[in-house]
Amino acid sequence: TQLLEQSPQFLSIQEGENLTVYCNSSSVFSSLQWYRQEPGEGPVLLVTVVTGGEVKKLKRLTFQFGDARKDSSLHITAAQPGDTGLYLCAGPGGSDQFYFGTGTSLTVIP
Amino acid sequence: NAGVMQNPRHLVRRRGQEARLRCSPMKGHSHVYWYRQLPEEGLKFMVYLQKENIIDESGMPKERFSAEFPKEGPSILRIQQVVRGDSAAYFCASSQSRTGGNEQFFGPGTRLTVL
Repeated sequence: TQLLEQSPQFLSIQEGENLTVYCNSSSVFSSLQWYRQEPGEGPVLLVTVVTGGEVKKLKRLTFQFGDARKDSSLHITAAQPGDTGLYLCAGPGGSDQFYFGTGTSLTVIP
Repeated sequence: NAGVMQNPRHLVRRRGQEARLRCSPMKGHSHVYWYRQLPEEGLKFMVYLQKENIIDESGMPKERFSAEFPKEGPSILRIQQVVRGDSAAYFCASSQSRTGGNEQFFGPGTRLTVL
């Protein structure tokens, strides 16, 4: 089993603050994906990172894939209430499985 | 182009009853995945199907749970003789080809409550 651990599990911040959430594994992944899930809805893909060391930006969100492809981070600049949600990292495993991380629940307070 | 559709969105069953959850993948997608999610947790893989075939069911309990993806119609996740511990959100995702970097598109989920 390829375990993906995310930290922190819960995060509550004020609007305008910056934050970083982490996704770590002892296994190497060919790629990692980040999803955001809002209450009552399914996860929505934000980004896929493929190359070790890769950095991708999506407006105020910056995603980084570790050099060894075992970890990834998501940094949000100037968080807004609309960023509230559950952030999940996920990576493909053997046997066509897709492993999801434990999730970071983010609340941005106006 | 409709996304992944799941129904019902909410399902209430009493212990011992059967639950049937349906998933229609995106148009052109022949790969379907079912996941289970408990509150404030990530998604746990249950089963991966292609049309008429179960490819990987390693995440699905051996008893009471079954899944199918017939040639025609939606994929069905069936839970027989439900127990309280089956209460969870069940998500279906579809992709155009096998995972391994390909994007999975998720449906809105079915929230099962067992009384």
